[in-house]
Amino acid sequence: KAGVTQTPRYLIKTRGQQVTLSCSPISGHRSVSWYQQTPGQGLQFLFEYFSETQRNKGNFPGRFSGRQFSNSRSEMNVSTLELGDSALYLCASRIGTGRGEDYGYTFGSGTRLTVV
Amino acid sequence: KNEVEQSPQNLTAQEGEFITINCSYSVGISALHWLQQHPGGGIVSLFMLSSGKKKHGRLIATINIQEKHSSLHITASHPRDSAVYICAARVAETSGSRLTFGEGTQLTVNP
Repeated sequence: KAGVTQTPRYLIKTRGQQVTLSCSPISGHRSVSWYQQTPGQGLQFLFEYFSETQRNKGNFPGRFSGRQFSNSRSEMNVSTLELGDSALYLCASRIGTGRGEDYGYTFGSGTRLTVV
Repeated sequence: KNEVEQSPQNLTAQEGEFITINCSYSVGISALHWLQQHPGGGIVSLFMLSSGKKKHGRLIATINIQEKHSSLHITASHPRDSAVYICAARVAETSGSRLTFGEGTQLTVNP
């Protein structure tokens, strides 16, 4: 079956612009979470969505937002881009939000955002 | 102090060696994940553990809930095992959950 698809793979934006990244989860997966990876901070949790509702949010400024659609696809948006937003943005999908063996994460390949 | 600490940060081994990567966490968890990241960024989930031990091929992961410690072992290491290995703790919160990550271990296996 198809994996988690993130688009675009690479993106270059200018400071002050905004950007929207997309994540299509594995078919049947209803939970999508987003992460930022930078050389200095490593991997950090951004958001978790389940059934179109944001379930949890990491410690990021309000410029970072997201949403999930009825087909479980998710988007994240960063407004007023700063140089420090340059990072690899990863999303992961899960079948749901339970704790059992079926609730592991499948990651996408990421979107590499460069802010200049 | 980070919620998840990994050691070592860097590890170089010769092909065939037995490798151990350690992970300690300071938070209550619902599961502990071991992830593998190759150059280019893609992350593969290797194991999800809530207790005991799991084995997949040459990889073995163990967890001690009382000591809040997990280890990833690679037996008969191979150059294709070269990657960054990341320990991640899934923390259940009031609504939803989050993954909190270790800094990763860069493993290089030389032929």
